[in-house]
Amino acid sequence: KQEVTQIPAALSVPEGENLVLNCSFTDSAIYNLQWFRQDPGKGLTSLLLIQSSQREQTSGRLNASLDKSSGRSTLYIAASQPGDSATYLCAVKGSWGKFQFGAGTQVVVTP
Amino acid sequence: EAGVAQSPRYKIIEKRQSVAFWCNPISGHATLYWYQQILGQGPKLLIQFQNNGVVDDSQLPKDRFSAERLKGVDSTLKIQPAKLEDSAVYLCASRPAGGTYNEQFFGPGTRLTVL
Repeated sequence: KQEVTQIPAALSVPEGENLVLNCSFTDSAIYNLQWFRQDPGKGLTSLLLIQSSQREQTSGRLNASLDKSSGRSTLYIAASQPGDSATYLCAVKGSWGKFQFGAGTQVVVTP
Repeated sequence: EAGVAQSPRYKIIEKRQSVAFWCNPISGHATLYWYQQILGQGPKLLIQFQNNGVVDDSQLPKDRFSAERLKGVDSTLKIQPAKLEDSAVYLCASRPAGGTYNEQFFGPGTRLTVL
């Protein structure tokens, strides 16, 4: 059974600092991995989708890497802003067809 | 392009009552998901539809939860009777059919409180 872990559960950084968020998974037989952002009381917003054949994906200040062999993905957010404060979740799509989510990392960026 | 719509946004009921949630996916998206997100946890898949057929409902508590997707478009999720532990946000998501390369798009969710 796939297990997805996100550590740390919470993170606080000063504005301008780079954010590094981690996602680990136990079964490397995945099709893709997706990073989401969730604001309080809101649904999930897709940030980046990395296919199993890719090593990284970039969008603006966001960069996500994927290392299937070690069961890890990292989301980097450059030059953090207070508007980046949210919970960040990763989800893996495995050969069994389901998306399995981590519990998320709650980020606070202080001005 | 309109996003995934869900209603109601909030619902408060007493235990043992019934409740229903509605989801309208993005137009043309064949795959529809219902997730349950308990506070402090990641979403847990309850049921996945491909058009109007069920692909996966292995984590749906079938003694009290039911879902349908008539005509392969809108979907409803029902809980009957509700328990205290059903308090959660119920998220609907959709994605285009086919392949593994398509993102999921989520609606705003329905926050259910069972008293």
